Formats: sequence, structure tokens, C-alpha cells
Amino acid sequence: TQLLEQSPQFLSIQEGENLTVYCNSSSVFSSLQWYRQEPGEGPVLLVTVVTGGEVKKLKRLTFQFGDARKDSSLHITAAQPGDTGLYLCAGITQGGSEKLVFGKGTKLTVNP
Amino acid sequence: EAQVTQNPRYLITVTGKKLTVTCSQNMNHEYMSWYRQDPGLGLRQIYYSMNVEVTDKGDVPEGYKVSRKEKRNFPLILESPSPNQTSLYFCASSLSRTRSHEQFFGPGTRLTVL
Repeated sequence: TQLLEQSPQFLSIQEGENLTVYCNSSSVFSSLQWYRQEPGEGPVLLVTVVTGGEVKKLKRLTFQFGDARKDSSLHITAAQPGDTGLYLCAGITQGGSEKLVFGKGTKLTVNP
Repeated sequence: EAQVTQNPRYLITVTGKKLTVTCSQNMNHEYMSWYRQDPGLGLRQIYYSMNVEVTDKGDVPEGYKVSRKEKRNFPLILESPSPNQTSLYFCASSLSRTRSHEQFFGPGTRLTVL
């Protein structure tokens, strides 16, 4: 059973369009991270959200953590070709044995 | 420059021939881990280490071994590789396993087992 479901799995859009990527779970996480991975490289952390309802902005990227800390979204405004990559969400489980679990990722292609 | 290095970056081998993928970090991180990334399956953790001489199984440990004799190094060993271990492997490190510490990933090792 996949703990973190990401959608969509693939997304191809034109430069200038807006998009939202979702990361959902039935489990509660103590915090959630978003990474971006470019071809031939390892994932790189974009943001960490910790508080339920928290919203963080990174230039044209807006990240939100759900009130119940079970889900998160990434919204990109006016996408650019440089935004192309694989976006991964990763949640840190609660409880005595904390664990970082990754979603399967959303592959975004922004066409010029 | 703070980084995680992996070697080799690419490796083609044959079934049963023992191999080691090295991983080293220069950030004095306590926590290190190995992942494999496969299409449709995402990143899955193989093994992790909380500190020197402390290692534990992740989600997919079968067929792999690790060691942590020094804080900076965390090699991944495949004693008898099989074709189903063909994958893209990433080493990662962080200050600790807990809470919201950032995972720093290496550049990846693409392994093909024939």
C-alpha cells in the first residue's frame, strides 16, 4: 500500500500555464517535504512544511500543508521550461519510529 | 562544497559478480541511507544508518548489505547481483532521521545487471 499518493503522475503543459500537484494520504505526518529531481541528478529539497494549514511560497511556487496534516499541494504559477522535472513529496511519519516516505512523483514537462 | 558523492555513476555487470557502490558525505551528517528508484515505484529505501556502526533495514533490503565504519562513508554492497537489482541508486544523508531535516542526495548510480 502506497502511503503517499501523488497526482497527476504525468503533466505536460505550455509555458505560462498554472498547475497544481497533489500529495494525499490517509496517514498523519509530522511534516512534509517537496523535492525536485532533474534528469541525471538526485532530488533537491524545495520546502518543508510543518504546521497544519501552513502555506509557503518560493517565487512562483506555493506549497500548502493540509489542516489535518494528511495532504499537501504544490501550485506553480506561470510555469516556465526551467520548472520541468520530477516533483516528489515526502512525509515524515508520526510515532515512536519516525520514517520518511516518498510519493511516486509527478513528472512535469513545460513546453516553450 | 557540501555534497554527497557516489561512485561509480554508471555500472554494467553480470549476474553473481560482487560489487560495491561507494557513498561519501562531507557534512558530518549522522544519518545516511540508500534508495533505489524504479519507474512506477518511486524511491524506496534499502538500508539506513543512524550513526557509525548502527545500520538497519529499510523497505527493500533483500540482496543488499551495508556498513558504516566511518561517519562519512556508507557503501552499498551487492554480494550476488541479479537482474532485478537493475535500477537507479541514490545515497542520501541528513543531520538526523527525525523531523524535518533536509535529505541531501548524491547524483545517483545507474546499475545494470545482465
